[in-house]
Amino acid sequence: EAQVTQNPRYLITVTGKKLTVTCSQNMNHEYMSWYRQDPGLGLRQIYYSMNVEVTDKGDVPEGYKVSRKEKRNFPLILESPSPNQTSLYFCASSPSGRGATNYGYTFGSGTRLTVV
Amino acid sequence: AQTVTQSQPEMSVQEAETVTLSCTYDTSESDYYLFWYKQPPSRQMILVIRQEAYKQQNATENRFSVNFQKAAKSFSLKISDSQLGDAAMYFCAYRAGYSTLTFGKGTMLLVSP
Repeated sequence: EAQVTQNPRYLITVTGKKLTVTCSQNMNHEYMSWYRQDPGLGLRQIYYSMNVEVTDKGDVPEGYKVSRKEKRNFPLILESPSPNQTSLYFCASSPSGRGATNYGYTFGSGTRLTVV
Repeated sequence: AQTVTQSQPEMSVQEAETVTLSCTYDTSESDYYLFWYKQPPSRQMILVIRQEAYKQQNATENRFSVNFQKAAKSFSLKISDSQLGDAAMYFCAYRAGYSTLTFGKGTMLLVSP
């Protein structure tokens, strides 16, 4: 089944304790992205990657890191989480190139992160 | 930068009735796609319908249809014969070329029996 797999689904952590949210897709998509969703703010892009070893900042990158060492994986790293990073996080993927614009994205199931 | 605006934070509809969710966007591009996503309480993001800017005909998927007004930069979603399972958060989104999918802030749809 074509899918984007995110783990964990729920995570509660303490301020300052480094964490990683994993994301993997099995569709051979070039484009991958991380969003955070907050009430009243919709989905805002954190980072995206056009392909292996190519990443760029989205609208709200502060406090996050990403890496794209393999095409299928795009982990989100919070080096020193703070309470304002409490949010619902989504990983998504898409093909790129001509004709990909109409695809939209395939989304993972989301990670509910609470930082206390 | 492209922006997507959903001016209705919340809408209500009764079962079997029709409801329209509004979306406007701002862009200088001529070729782009617009999308409506549904997010039920399970929080899964589900693609409901998409529209290419070059196509004049409005997209339709079963009970879901859009009213696309390119000159007005408006892209509303009409849900006919509403069902309890339609209750969800709905997001309007925009994409041009290889760029980011830009979302509105969402409209919560409540469906009453």
